[in-house]
Amino acid sequence: DAKTTQPPSMDCAEGRAANLPCNHSTISGNEYVYWYRQIHSQGPQYIIHGLKNNETNEMASLIITEDRKSSTLILPHATLRDTAVYYCIAPVSNSGYALNFGKGTSLLVTP
Amino acid sequence: DAGVIQSPRHEVTEMGQEVTLRCKPISGHDYLFWYRQTMMRGLELLIYFNNNVPIDDSGMPEDRFSAKMPNASFSTLKIQPSEPRDSAVYFCASSRRLTGNSGNTIYFGEGSWLTVV
Repeated sequence: DAKTTQPPSMDCAEGRAANLPCNHSTISGNEYVYWYRQIHSQGPQYIIHGLKNNETNEMASLIITEDRKSSTLILPHATLRDTAVYYCIAPVSNSGYALNFGKGTSLLVTP
Repeated sequence: DAGVIQSPRHEVTEMGQEVTLRCKPISGHDYLFWYRQTMMRGLELLIYFNNNVPIDDSGMPEDRFSAKMPNASFSTLKIQPSEPRDSAVYFCASSRRLTGNSGNTIYFGEGSWLTVV
């Protein structure tokens, strides 16, 4: 997979926006960026993915820089239930596109 | 849809015993993945199947581990003999297609929590 770099941990106050950064400077033109999250004791859950354009769904927004070397996942109004590990993944074609998860960012949403 | 179903949810076994973990993927999904998660190593891809055929098993730790997919609705991950270092959460996941430039997503089960004593 394209190497991704995420901060190991972040804090966010409940009700505020949580902005989770990810660097993927080796990503190539046809490789998507995916975000998953894992709430304690559960399986990973898909959040959002994108290629070039910014994306939004009911869970989050994804902002991808024009050069595609980095992206930011935005949880617009974080709640305590958003406390989880967030994974940024950029699978590459020559690895068969299977998802390989790194360490992710542990997000703590505080009251 | 019931989602990916795994069994057992929890298992405690003695070292040397055989362990079999089971998975039922989402109906219609062509890809099935087995992952292992530990505190030390995080979430690791062990093996994945396409249309019941193993495609990449490079993540399988050693010969004690084997995985099969006899049909589109069932897969097993077997550890024989089990060792304490195999203690982990084992996740099964499935998808319609691989990710990458198809923009696909994968769906995970709740995991099987294995403890080998």
